[in-house]
Formats: sequence, C-alpha cells, structure tokens
Amino acid sequence: QQQVRQSPQSLTVWEGETAILNCSYEDSTFDYFPWYHQFPGESPALLIAIRPVSNKKEDGRFTIFFNKREKKFSLHIADSQPGDSATYFCAASNSGGSNAKLTFGKGTKLSVKS
Amino acid sequence: ETAVFQTPNYHVTQVGNEVSFNCKQTLGHDTMYWYKQDSKKLLKIMFSYNNKQLIVNETVPRRFSPQSSDKAHLNLRIKSVEPEDSAVYLCASSSAGGALYFGAGTRLSVL
Repeated sequence: QQQVRQSPQSLTVWEGETAILNCSYEDSTFDYFPWYHQFPGESPALLIAIRPVSNKKEDGRFTIFFNKREKKFSLHIADSQPGDSATYFCAASNSGGSNAKLTFGKGTKLSVKS
Repeated sequence: ETAVFQTPNYHVTQVGNEVSFNCKQTLGHDTMYWYKQDSKKLLKIMFSYNNKQLIVNETVPRRFSPQSSDKAHLNLRIKSVEPEDSAVYLCASSSAGGALYFGAGTRLSVL
C-alpha cells in the first residue's frame, strides 16, 4: 500500500515558468509534510515543509499548498531556473512520539529548459 | 562542523561477502535512520533508532542488521550480500518530529 503518491513522474518547464508538483496521502494522522530535492550525485536535502495548522507555506520562489480535506499538497516553483533541475520528493509523517518516520513519494524529475 | 558523516563513499564486493557501513551524526539528534535508494531513486526506510533503541524495523531481509553504540552512531551490516543489494544506502538523523538530514550516502555495487 503506497501511502504517499506523487505526480508527475517527470516534468519539463521553460525557464521563468511555474513548475507544479503534486502529492496525495492516505493516512489522516500524518501531520508533517516536507519536500526534498536531490541533485545528481548528491543526497536528498530538505527544501521546505508544512504542518496542517497552515494551508500555505512560502520560502522565496517555493510554495507549498496544502488541502487537508482532500489529503493533497503541492509544491509550486515560481520563476523556474535551470539550476532547479533535480528530483523532488514529497514526504509525510506522523511526527508525534518516538515512532515518527517519513514516508517518501516516488519522486518527480524536474527539468528546466532555458 | 555539524552534519551526518558516512563511510565508505563507495564499496564494490562480490556476492556472499559481508560488508559494514558506518554513520555518525554531530547534530545532537536523538533518532537515526538507514534508507535504501535504488536505481530508480525510490527511497525506502530500512531501520530507525531512537537513542540506541530500535523503533522501526521494516521488512528487510535478515542479512541486514543495524548496530548502534550510542545515539550519534548507527552502522549497517550486511552478512551475505546479494546482487539486489546494489544501491545507495543513506544514513539520516532527525530531532523529534523534525526534518531528516541525510549523509552523502554509501554506494554499494555487488558483482
């Protein structure tokens, strides 16, 4: 059973466009939703995260939109740059207690063309 | 420097051999993890340790065993490697409910 679903598998946008990456989850106890990016040859690194107390989180060109009712969240990358080309992973967890673990989506490979 | 450090970076071995990977974190986190990332980039959790106690043990083959001496160290031993064990093994740490910080990974190739 896949608890975190991510789409699309790959996405190509032109420089300056907004890239939209989507995720959905099943477990209603999940309360922590981060996005990681991974550049070729490197390990994943935290990009931005949100908790359900808010339905939007911004950090520069990166914005998470969260819809608790539909159990969906998305990452919007405004003014996409070639340097944003990477694989992006959404994830979700129940952050309470010592049993917290992060479940990752399968990733979206983003290519930004100039 | 505070981070997650893994050794070795690469390891090439033959089927049936035993291998060990080391991980140390200097972030002061209480929880450490081992993730496996396959050739399709899928990230799957293998083990999680909270302050030296195993708290998550996903259904990985018995030839894999985590070893922790204290909350800053979490090693991974593979007793008899199989070809399907070829992957990147990522160590990570986190504070309670916080973000994961990954090490650079150990790339294992099984011939």
